[in-house]
Amino acid sequence: EPEVTQTPSHQVTQMGQEVILRCVPISNHLYFYWYRQILGQKVEFLVSFYNNEISEKSEIFDDQFSVERPDGSNFTLKIRSTKLEDSAMYFCASYPGLAGPDTQYFGPGTRLTVL
Amino acid sequence: AQKVTQAQTEISVVEKEDVTLDCVYETRDTTYYLFWYKQPPSGELVFLIRRNSFDEQNEISGRYSWNFQKSTSSFNFTITASQVVDSAVYFCALSGTFTGANSKLTFGKGITLSVRP
Repeated sequence: EPEVTQTPSHQVTQMGQEVILRCVPISNHLYFYWYRQILGQKVEFLVSFYNNEISEKSEIFDDQFSVERPDGSNFTLKIRSTKLEDSAMYFCASYPGLAGPDTQYFGPGTRLTVL
Repeated sequence: AQKVTQAQTEISVVEKEDVTLDCVYETRDTTYYLFWYKQPPSGELVFLIRRNSFDEQNEISGRYSWNFQKSTSSFNFTITASQVVDSAVYFCALSGTFTGANSKLTFGKGITLSVRP
């Protein structure tokens, strides 16, 4: 069964550094999402992406965040200058479009630790 | 704005007990979708069920059952004869559509279920 993959599984970085979290959505999916989950808390929506542009973003998704689909397979989340409070699990998700499955497909997550 | 409330934070039961996880939602959309996800200790999100707002039929899948009541804006999840493997965090979620704007999932805070042998 096709699946969403994310790399790395765990990223440790110093405060102020830039990080790029990578996701490979399922081939032929059209809608892409990033969510984050601070340890012990709920899963929060960050951004949705379709047709090479952002469809919707949350208040969390400020100027230090950006997303990109640099080629036909990868979907990346960049955090320009990481803060301690960016430490969280980041989930990528994708969805094929109309007449698709029951839900977005989630990747296994990348745990980001900012020191 | 959409909101999902899971008032229970932690539930502990003994194996073979039945347990119900509550979910109450708020939305202004006339069409919406409700979900339950399981997050085991390994951390991934496991999809359990989706329910459309226009389909109030309850659903049963093995030991799992879901009760959707539009009148009370609730979508509760019952595990019958719980097992240790059911121990996890359970999230209820809501979305307005499947694609485009408003397709984001809004999650509740989650309920930590511990099933003791």
